[in-house]
Amino acid sequence: DADVTQTPRNRITKTGKRIMLECSQTKGHDRMYWYRQDPGLGLRLIYYSFDVKDINKGEISDGYSVSRQAQAKFSLSLESAIPNQTALYFCATSRDSYQPQHFGDGTRLSIL
Amino acid sequence: GQNIDQPTEMTATEGAIVQINCTYQTSGFNGLFWYQQHAGEAPTFLSYNVLDGLEEKGRFSSFLSRSKGYSYLLLKELQMKDSASYLCAVPDEAAGNKLTFGGGTRVLVKP
Repeated sequence: DADVTQTPRNRITKTGKRIMLECSQTKGHDRMYWYRQDPGLGLRLIYYSFDVKDINKGEISDGYSVSRQAQAKFSLSLESAIPNQTALYFCATSRDSYQPQHFGDGTRLSIL
Repeated sequence: GQNIDQPTEMTATEGAIVQINCTYQTSGFNGLFWYQQHAGEAPTFLSYNVLDGLEEKGRFSSFLSRSKGYSYLLLKELQMKDSASYLCAVPDEAAGNKLTFGGGTRVLVKP
C-alpha cells in the first residue's frame, strides 16, 4: 500500500463546482503539504501544515482552502472551481525540514 | 524571498554524463534537495546536501558550494530511464523551512 494516498486520481468537473481532494498518510509524519504543478512549471506550494493545529498559506493559496482533520489526513478544497485551476495536484509529507518529502501519486484535475 | 534557477531542458546520449546546475539565493541555508520526476508521476527523493562537497550515490552524485549558492546533480552512465525532470529545492528558513522548488530541468536521453 502507498504511504501517501491521494483521492481521487483524476477528476473532471465544471466551473463553479466545489471540489475536495483528499490526502492520507501512514508514515506518521507531522508535516503535510499541498502543491500544484502546471505543465512545464515546477511545484508551487498551496498550503502546508506542521501539525493538526498549525496551517499556513503557501505562495498560491487564493481560491483554495484546507482542513487537517487528523495527523494522517489533509484535505484541499476548491470552493468554486475555475478553469485556470486545472493542474496536477500533489500532497506530500515529511518528518521535518531536514528529511525528504514523500509525495502521493497526484490528482489530475480538469475544470471545464 | 528565495530564488532558484536551473536550466529548462538538456539532451544527452545514452551512456554519457550530464550535469544539471542549480543556483539559489536564500536568506538562510538549511540544505538543498534534488528530486527526480518522471512525466505525470510523483517526485522522488534523490539527494540532500547540507555541507560543501560531492556526495556520490551510485550513478548519481550531487555537489554543493554554499559560498557560491550553487549545486549540481551529475548523472553518469545515462540510461533511457533517466529521461525525467530533475528538481532542485531549498528550505525557506523564514517560513518554517518549507521547501521552495526550482522550475525543474527536463533531461532527454537519446539512444
